[in-house]
Amino acid sequence: SQTIHQWPATLVQPVGSPLSLECTVEGTSNPNLYWYRQAAGRGLQLLFYSVGIGQISSEVPQNLSASRPQDRQFILSSKKLLLSDSGFYLCAWSVRRGGPGTDTQYFGPGTRLTVL
Amino acid sequence: RKEVEQDPGPFNVPEGATVAFNCTYSNSASQSFFWYRQDCRKEPKLLMSVYSSGNEDGRFTAQLNRASQYISLLIRDSKLSDSATYLCVVNYLGGSYIPTFGRGTSLIVHP
Repeated sequence: SQTIHQWPATLVQPVGSPLSLECTVEGTSNPNLYWYRQAAGRGLQLLFYSVGIGQISSEVPQNLSASRPQDRQFILSSKKLLLSDSGFYLCAWSVRRGGPGTDTQYFGPGTRLTVL
Repeated sequence: RKEVEQDPGPFNVPEGATVAFNCTYSNSASQSFFWYRQDCRKEPKLLMSVYSSGNEDGRFTAQLNRASQYISLLIRDSKLSDSATYLCVVNYLGGSYIPTFGRGTSLIVHP
């Protein structure tokens, strides 16, 4: 069966510090990978998605970046964190099953980031 | 930007009640639909996909109305454990089939 891991589970960082969140998927090959952020009391905001190694699409311009160095590894980074970067960061994966638009997403446990 | 709208609630219902949520979407080219459940401070978990013909999973029934561009979730015989936020997701045709999440509907089931 497939599993998705995220770490760390919680993180407290000062403003201006760098960030690196990691996500890995097991039990599947060539997944689509996604990074979301959920601010307190808000909906899920898609940040980045990737359909393959080295292929990253950004949905929202900001001070974050993403990389996919391996098929089942997705990394979210920042050089300098802002207070507004606080939130619940979720990684998700999907596999195309029935053709266009039928992706089902499965989420990792998330990283709760607090920027002080 | 394409929108997916949900009533944030909260819907406050007694155990055993039947409750229904709707989710409207603005893009008529939407291709696939899902309901997720999210518990407080946890990741969303897939509840069920929504098929054109409607589908049922135990106490949960999902319906799709393409003409009016909404999906619905019906929960029968509500349990305390059903208390959560219910997110609808719409995948759009074209591009990379990016999912769009609604902000969620909060359900509180009380004794």
